[in-house]
Amino acid sequence: EIQLQESGPGLVKPSQSLSLTCSVTGYTITSGYDWSWIRKFPGNKMEWMGYISYSGSTNYNPSLKSRISITRDTSKNQFFLQLNSVTTEDTATYYCARMWDDGTFAYWGQGTLVTVSS
Amino acid sequence: DIQMTQSPASLSASLGETVSIECLASEGISNDLAWYQQKSGKSPQLLIYAASRLQDGVPSRFSGSGSGTRYSLKISGMQPEDEADYFCQQSYKYPPTFGSGTKLEIK
Repeated sequence: EIQLQESGPGLVKPSQSLSLTCSVTGYTITSGYDWSWIRKFPGNKMEWMGYISYSGSTNYNPSLKSRISITRDTSKNQFFLQLNSVTTEDTATYYCARMWDDGTFAYWGQGTLVTVSS
Repeated sequence: DIQMTQSPASLSASLGETVSIECLASEGISNDLAWYQQKSGKSPQLLIYAASRLQDGVPSRFSGSGSGTRYSLKISGMQPEDEADYFCQQSYKYPPTFGSGTKLEIK
């Protein structure tokens, strides 16, 4: 069965970069689908951040376009999130998820809380 | 972006009660609407896709309906394990956007 697992620092200082890893087991990320990052803010608002496709193309939320980068390491079956110039407003639980062709998310990681604070 | 207005923000229901949660899209989304359940400390689970299609393994007491801009999730007979947050998501246009969530508790 497919499983996704986020990892990375739980605390990032303002103005620095947030970097997270999503490790995927049970499915090869180059075989199909789009691999997304989604975040849930305190107060429960959720935001789709972007994806990297099975072919390596990317698509980002315009609200983040200047700060976000999603890359991958196919040899490790992992994909990554980098968010630059973070502020306290980037404090959230970050999820990686697999996006179906219809744009829904059937598989999610358990989420990782990232706090932006000095 | 398409705005998804979800209501109510919170809800309490007795065991066996039928509950409904609604999402209103800021424009027509052609049934490209999903519902998720998220229990405390867990990742979201897909319940419904394409507005009314039940994801494999989801109990039949969950159902979805709607069209155009208005969609709803119904739980027919509240069970203890249904206590959770629920939220909708549109996939009609990029970027995908989510409702603000409904906290469902047992009365």
